[in-house]
Amino acid sequence: DTAVSQTPKYLVTQMGNDKSIKCEQNLGHDTMYWYKQDSKKFLKIMFSYNNKELIINETVPNRFSPKSPDKAHLNLHINSLELGDSAVYFCASSQDTVDTQYFGPGTRLTVL
Amino acid sequence: AQSVTQPDIHITVSEGASLELRCNYSYGATPYLFWYVQSPGQGLQLLLKYFSGDTLVQGIKGFEAEFKRSQSSFNLRKPSVHWSDAAEYFCAVGREYGNKLVFGAGTILRVKS
Repeated sequence: DTAVSQTPKYLVTQMGNDKSIKCEQNLGHDTMYWYKQDSKKFLKIMFSYNNKELIINETVPNRFSPKSPDKAHLNLHINSLELGDSAVYFCASSQDTVDTQYFGPGTRLTVL
Repeated sequence: AQSVTQPDIHITVSEGASLELRCNYSYGATPYLFWYVQSPGQGLQLLLKYFSGDTLVQGIKGFEAEFKRSQSSFNLRKPSVHWSDAAEYFCAVGREYGNKLVFGAGTILRVKS
């Protein structure tokens, strides 16, 4: 009965590769988010989608492209991975754009 | 723009002792305030939240927090800490367009027996 799930949990890859992280929520929420937690544990929002429409794009390089095929899913595709992309990426969801956010377990991305 | 300050990077308390983690925010109107906890290698779990109403809010695991508008603070408290409370605690403020959460830098809690 996982509420917000992410796959994979760990991702190790080489510089220059393209990778995707998937997020699914079974809470019936209509807003989903991606956050990045850097090596200093600082959390910062990257994107927010409401009803499959992008509403926040927080000055993230365009190598990062979120895709929301439906309200329950928000995937993150990253092109041409760089060392600085190494981080933990968290997906979250909320009932609407003013409600409490519930977070997934995170995906630890390591770029070598 | 919103901002959150957690002045204490690390705090160590003895098991059974009381705990207070500090959080100060900057926001023009009444904010939405949250405390999340992150155990090592885990995701973020919501402890409690404040949207409006009673300024003393109760959360899970025996935590509470008090919103003080005059001090722009939302400090987290627990009367008696358990070893399992050792984790990193994040204060966050919301309510901007799109429900963007702005997080503090976190406070690492260590519990000594």
